[in-house]
Amino acid sequence: QQQVKQSPQSLIVQKGGIPIINCAYENTAFDYFPWYQQFPGKGPALLIAIRPDVSEKKEGRFTISFNKSAKQFSLHIMDSQPGDSATYFCAASQAGSARQLTFGSGTQLTVLP
Amino acid sequence: DSGVTQTPKHLITATGQRVTLRCSPRSGDLSVYWYQQSLDQGLQFLIQYYNGEERAKGNILERFSAQQFPDLHSELNLSSLELGDSALYFCASSVSAGGHQTQYFGPGTRLLVL
Repeated sequence: QQQVKQSPQSLIVQKGGIPIINCAYENTAFDYFPWYQQFPGKGPALLIAIRPDVSEKKEGRFTISFNKSAKQFSLHIMDSQPGDSATYFCAASQAGSARQLTFGSGTQLTVLP
Repeated sequence: DSGVTQTPKHLITATGQRVTLRCSPRSGDLSVYWYQQSLDQGLQFLIQYYNGEERAKGNILERFSAQQFPDLHSELNLSSLELGDSALYFCASSVSAGGHQTQYFGPGTRLLVL
């Protein structure tokens, strides 16, 4: 199965909170796990990405945690701001000549002021 | 701005019709991907081209086809349109086809089939 399962479907937090979005995959051939952020009316934009040889990666307020044995990875947004309100997609791709992305179903995040 | 351009931004057409969506990748990018985003199916990979050649196919219907031209722009052709084809269609580009290359997405074409 090529699926990537994402939860929750929606998330509401207060400003300064730490929303956490979780993803799980089945295909052990996946070796690249990016997160994309999408604002209404825009295309997805790469936020941060991780490879399975690393358990955690931080870029600014965004952190990916990766658990290879559980085949799970998650996105944490520190000190969330109203401007972070968007839809977040986890994705995965596997080695090969194509590298197409398999996306999770998306999480709509709302950060209240 | 990702540097990927897509035209048109919006398209309204009727069932049974044929439309063409156009994508210009970022300067220097050789690989183009097409994705469909719908409420029920989410973001799904359709097809990929690399330097003019088809590289991979996903859940693309037989009524849909694509090509990449020598100037590297790509077109997605949708024919015999059905109501269920209404969706956002995104094009993404990357420098190469393999490796951990960032895919940069365009703003999308919103297709409405009436």
